[in-house]
Amino acid sequence: GDSVTQMEGPVTLSEEAFLTINCTYTATGYPSLFWYVQYPGEGLQLLLKATKADDKGSNKGFEATYRKETTSFHLEKGSVQVSDSAVYFCALSDLEAAGNKLTFGGGTRVLVKP
Amino acid sequence: DGGITQSPKYLFRKEGQNVTLSCEQNLNHDAMYWYRQDPGQGLRLIYYSQIVNDFQKGDIAEGYSVSREKKESFPLTVTSAQKNPTAFYLCASSPRGTGSGNTIYFGEGSWLTVV
Repeated sequence: GDSVTQMEGPVTLSEEAFLTINCTYTATGYPSLFWYVQYPGEGLQLLLKATKADDKGSNKGFEATYRKETTSFHLEKGSVQVSDSAVYFCALSDLEAAGNKLTFGGGTRVLVKP
Repeated sequence: DGGITQSPKYLFRKEGQNVTLSCEQNLNHDAMYWYRQDPGQGLRLIYYSQIVNDFQKGDIAEGYSVSREKKESFPLTVTSAQKNPTAFYLCASSPRGTGSGNTIYFGEGSWLTVV
């Protein structure tokens, strides 16, 4: 079945540091890939997505490129801020999978210190 | 504003009681979902519905029930058969299934605590 694996956190950074969160996936078909962000006590918000190989999703300074050859969708930001402290979830959806629904990774907590 | 509304935000349940979490969306989405999130962990799918009057079990459906009588509404009942119901519950919706790259949108969540 489909699965998503993320690096475990917490990831602790200083403000203006470079952030990378690794995400790899296993899927039966050609999935779409997503990154969601969850701030404390809140629901999830879509951060970015990519629907086919070599697509780059970007939003709010975050980027991720769909790499089919390495089955990866790593999230990056060049200069983080304290307000980026949150939990980040990588997810995939697969047309060929039963139920046509999202599969999530375990989440990576990021803490940015001033 | 369009969105997904979950209520209540916080709910306390005594052991042996059934409770129902409400989820309403005004996005005209066909598909709706319920996820459970335990502290420090990822999301697990409880139930999902791709069309009115139809729903399927997710990965952890035992002890839960749902209905989808209206397109806008997808209430979740946590029954007394659910042994560890204390968790954060997230409702979500998408235009159709997510496999075609459709984005899934989430509500703000409901905290359920068993006392």
